[in-house]
Amino acid sequence: TAGITQAPTSQILAAGRSMTLRCTQDMRHNAMYWYRQDLGLGLRLIHYSNTAGTTGKGEVPDGYSVSRANTDDFPLTLASAVPSQTSVYFCASSGTVTDTQYFGPGTRLTVL
Amino acid sequence: GQNIDQPTEMTATEGAIVQINCTYQTSGFNGLFWYQQHAGEAPTFLSYNVLDGLEEKGRFSSFLSRSKGYSYLLLKELQMKDSASYLCAVTDSNYQLIWGAGTKLIIKP
Repeated sequence: TAGITQAPTSQILAAGRSMTLRCTQDMRHNAMYWYRQDLGLGLRLIHYSNTAGTTGKGEVPDGYSVSRANTDDFPLTLASAVPSQTSVYFCASSGTVTDTQYFGPGTRLTVL
Repeated sequence: GQNIDQPTEMTATEGAIVQINCTYQTSGFNGLFWYQQHAGEAPTFLSYNVLDGLEEKGRFSSFLSRSKGYSYLLLKELQMKDSASYLCAVTDSNYQLIWGAGTKLIIKP
């Protein structure tokens, strides 16, 4: 099984442009998460979804939006990118909110 | 506020034993995770502790003391492939994972 896939692998984006990072899992996990990881900082939660049809804000949600129309997909959208959103973005999923989280390979985003 | 503390970097010798400490202050506690992350890759799950004591899994062991807000990850018989960052994370009262910044472990021959 593929587990969790993310696309694109990397991207360079001009400031002010919009972009959607894609995340798909085939494990039928209820919960999904978006994190960003910056040098010297821990993983920071952007948005999460405990089950299909619901979403919630994490620690750093400003400038990002998500949707969870079905169990498998959890896209993250940057409406108008800024250089401070340069980071590595990881999508993760878990069976329930108390279970182990499993991570996708990440998307490296550079905003210029 | 919520806080997870780990050493930034540690160095050890191939074949030796190393202990990576993690202390935490969180609003509630519903379990502690250790993940391994090789450079340029995603974090991968290593261990989970929810009760006090030692959990052993091959060359890796993880210990938890809830009263002290303390955990450690013990790596035995170190191999070069163990060079990676080790992330400590605690599930808080809202069942969200709070992450430490990670400990970069450098293994020398």
